[in-house]
Amino acid sequence: GQQLNQSPQSMFIQEGEDVSMNCTSSSIFNTWLWYKQEPGEGPVLLIALYKAGELTSNGRLTAQFGITRKDSFLNISASIPSDVGIYFCAGPLDSNYQLIWGAGTKLIIKP
Amino acid sequence: EPEVTQTPSHQVTQMGQEVILRCVPISNHLYFYWYRQILGQKVEFLVSFYNNEISEKSEIFDDQFSVERPDGSNFTLKIRSTKLEDSAMYFCASAIGTDNTGELFFGEGSRLTVL
Repeated sequence: GQQLNQSPQSMFIQEGEDVSMNCTSSSIFNTWLWYKQEPGEGPVLLIALYKAGELTSNGRLTAQFGITRKDSFLNISASIPSDVGIYFCAGPLDSNYQLIWGAGTKLIIKP
Repeated sequence: EPEVTQTPSHQVTQMGQEVILRCVPISNHLYFYWYRQILGQKVEFLVSFYNNEISEKSEIFDDQFSVERPDGSNFTLKIRSTKLEDSAMYFCASAIGTDNTGELFFGEGSRLTVL
């Protein structure tokens, strides 16, 4: 079945560093979603991408929808301690909006 | 800002017992979902619900699971006879469904621990 391959699995960075993570698929998606999950909480939508090539920002976060519609990346600039969490890419499988999920990128910020 | 709310936040139960997890989706949303996340693993789709019926379900969603929208605001997930491997965070989500964005909004989850 369809799946999303997300990398890296985890990142250990210093505060202030930029972060980049990506997601690829063998299938085409019409929407890419990036969620953040903090411990004990539900995923929170960060950025939604709807068009191939689209580049969208949300504060220090920037995400792009790949031109082939099979990949997306998320960048975080100048990371701060509250950026810690697990970042998931997700895409709707069909018109029922059933999402399939990447395995997540765990972001850890070294003090 | 409207949000999806879930209760209970944590439930501990004995194996074989029935459990009902409750959700109140965002009021003008039309699509409702249950997802689960076993500790340390990815989020997995269980079921989607639209127009008062199940529209999709995964292979995880076997005969022990059922969903209901009893009163127009609540959306419940019932596990009839819990197993140890049902221990997970269960997330309810809803989508407006009319804008084709695929955006789902999640509740904070209900942690189920089966002993």
